[in-house]
Amino acid sequence: EAEVAQSPRYKITEKSQAVAFWCDPISGHATLYWYRQILGQGPELLVQFQDESVVDDSQLPKDRFSAERLKGVDSTLKIQPAELGDSAMYLCASSLEVPGEQYFGPGTRLTVT
Amino acid sequence: QKEVEQNSGPLSVPEGAIASLNCTYSDRVSQSFFWYRQYSGKSPELIMSIYSNGDKEDGRFTAQLNKASQYVSLLIRDSQPSDSATYLCAVNRIQGAQKLVFGQGTRLTINP
Repeated sequence: EAEVAQSPRYKITEKSQAVAFWCDPISGHATLYWYRQILGQGPELLVQFQDESVVDDSQLPKDRFSAERLKGVDSTLKIQPAELGDSAMYLCASSLEVPGEQYFGPGTRLTVT
Repeated sequence: QKEVEQNSGPLSVPEGAIASLNCTYSDRVSQSFFWYRQYSGKSPELIMSIYSNGDKEDGRFTAQLNKASQYVSLLIRDSQPSDSATYLCAVNRIQGAQKLVFGQGTRLTINP
């Protein structure tokens, strides 16, 4: 069964350090999404890619967050420097079309100390 | 007003009963609606999508959509303890930047 892959699953980092997350979408899915989910809330979209192009990054804190999908397949989300408030679950999802059903990877649980 | 509103619960239902989860949304022209199940510490899992007014059934799950009332619901029949999870309603926003907007989720507990 096709799945979205993410790594690492868990990450503990100190504030002011850099951290990076990786995502590989379901094969053939041109649209890739990065979400952040704080405990007790629904996921919030950070950035959306259509192939290698950014479609929406309006909620991405661009002073510290960056995202890329260079070859239109896998993607990396980076935070530099990390802050205590960045502690959350970072979710990657992909879809075949927009709008369409989005399928999530297992997520990365980030703890900033 | 939040774009997508759900009662955060917890909603407690006895095993074997029907669990009813509700969601309202503000974007009148939204066309796509989704229900996700999320177990504690895990990522959301898509369980239902609905695009037209009325009911859509899949096994023990039934999604109901009423666009005039801007209301979508999920019914779970013959509830099992394994259904205990947080259920997220998601609506595809069309006005402004098109994106999936999630409610805060309803925590459901099925009591044996």
